[in-house]
Amino acid sequence: SQTIHQWPATLVQPVGSPLSLECTVEGTSNPNLYWYRQAAGRGLQLLFYSVGIGQISSEVPQNLSASRPQDRQFILSSKKLLLSDSGFYLCASQGRASNEQFFGPGTRLTVL
Amino acid sequence: AQSVTQPDIHITVSEGASLELRCNYSYGATPYLFWYVQSPGQGLQLLLKYFSGDTLVQGIKGFEAEFKRSQSSFNLRKPSVHWSDAAEYFCAVDAIGSARQLTFGSGTQLTVLP
Repeated sequence: SQTIHQWPATLVQPVGSPLSLECTVEGTSNPNLYWYRQAAGRGLQLLFYSVGIGQISSEVPQNLSASRPQDRQFILSSKKLLLSDSGFYLCASQGRASNEQFFGPGTRLTVL
Repeated sequence: AQSVTQPDIHITVSEGASLELRCNYSYGATPYLFWYVQSPGQGLQLLLKYFSGDTLVQGIKGFEAEFKRSQSSFNLRKPSVHWSDAAEYFCAVDAIGSARQLTFGSGTQLTVLP
């Protein structure tokens, strides 16, 4: 099975500061990769997905961006954080031959 | 577009009691169906999944779910709940599109009383 690494685990940032969250995947090649956000007390919202290096699709308009510089690396970024960017960010991976998404441990982001 | 409804935001049961968490989906065909569990501050762990075949599927930790096409439902059950089952549970649908996107329900928070 796949292993998803995310860091940092927690992050506290001031409004207006930049953001970079990293996700790396082990145990598969050429996976589909996903970024989800989970706001307090709410379900998961798909932010971005990628079907290959340099290929990013955005599901919702927002202050964030994503990049996939390597096959098993997925990065979530922002140039200037907003208060509304606070939440729990989850990275997920799905292998080409798999019907399951595997999730990382998540990053708790608090914007003050 | 597909949607997933988990009508119960919060459920409280006593340890040892049976449990059923409801999930209804809206989609033109039969999608792939999943149940995930999330402990506080953690990622999601897959409990079980349904793709085709037997409509009663068994998962980890003693959970099972039954797919009912006529009701567009995929309810999660456990005959005897343990205190360690306290967590948030998410139902998800994969419409089997090219990017294999999951649509999640809003989740059901389970509290287990001693």
